[in-house]
Amino acid sequence: DTAVSQTPKYLVTQMGNDKSIKCEQNLGHDTMYWYKQDSKKFLKIMFSYNNKELIINETVPNRFSPKSPDKAHLNLHINSLELGDSAVYFCASSQDPRPGPGNNEQFFGPGTRLTVL
Amino acid sequence: GNSVTQMEGPVTLSEEAFLTINCTYTATGYPSLFWYVQYPGEGLQLLLKATKADDKGSNKGFEATYRKETTSFHLEKGSVQVSDSAVYFCAGKGLRGGSNYKLTFGKGTLLTVNP
Repeated sequence: DTAVSQTPKYLVTQMGNDKSIKCEQNLGHDTMYWYKQDSKKFLKIMFSYNNKELIINETVPNRFSPKSPDKAHLNLHINSLELGDSAVYFCASSQDPRPGPGNNEQFFGPGTRLTVL
Repeated sequence: GNSVTQMEGPVTLSEEAFLTINCTYTATGYPSLFWYVQYPGEGLQLLLKATKADDKGSNKGFEATYRKETTSFHLEKGSVQVSDSAVYFCAGKGLRGGSNYKLTFGKGTLLTVNP
C-alpha cells in the first residue's frame, strides 16, 4: 500500500563507487522528483520527470544520472561517489500537469540515507 | 537568493503553547504556497496549502493565511502537542528565481514540544 517507495533505505559505500537508488510510485502520477536533503535539513530539488521526460535538471554534477523506465519509476544512478554526496535522498511524485503551474500535493518517499566513507 | 525565507529554529515549546513559524516569500506574480511537515525519520507530508491571496489553509489545528500585502504565509497553531514535534518547511511554486513547475523550499524550522 506504500504510495512512494524507495530502495534501499540505507546505503553505506566507499568513495569512488557507483550506486543506484530506486523509486516507485503506485499513485498513477505523471510527475516524479528527486530531492537531496543535507545534514542541516536543507532540501533541494535535483531532477523532475513528467511521463518519462526530463523537465527539471538543476545544477547537479553529471555524475548523477536519473532514469525513468516508465512513469511509475524514477531511479537515480550516481557514479564516482564523493564524500559530499552523503545526504538523504527523497523521491516524490505528484499529479501536476505540464507545463504547469499545478498546485497538487507532492507525495514523498521515506528517503534513502547515503553515507560515503 | 532564496525566494522563501522562514524563521530559523530550533523552536522549543511546552505542550499547549501557541505556535507561530514565520514565512515570507518573494514573487513577481501570484505563487501557490505550502507548508510541509517532516516527522523524525520520515519523508515530507503536505500539511496545508493556499493558492491565492487571502486564502487560509488549515489542517490538524494548523492554519496559515496567504497575505499578499505582506508577502507572508505564517504557520500558526493555538495549542501544540508533543506529537507536533517535527521539522516544518514553507514552500512555494511560481516564486522569484523559481518556476511554476518547481517547488522551492525554505530551510526548515525544527519544532520540539515538551510535555
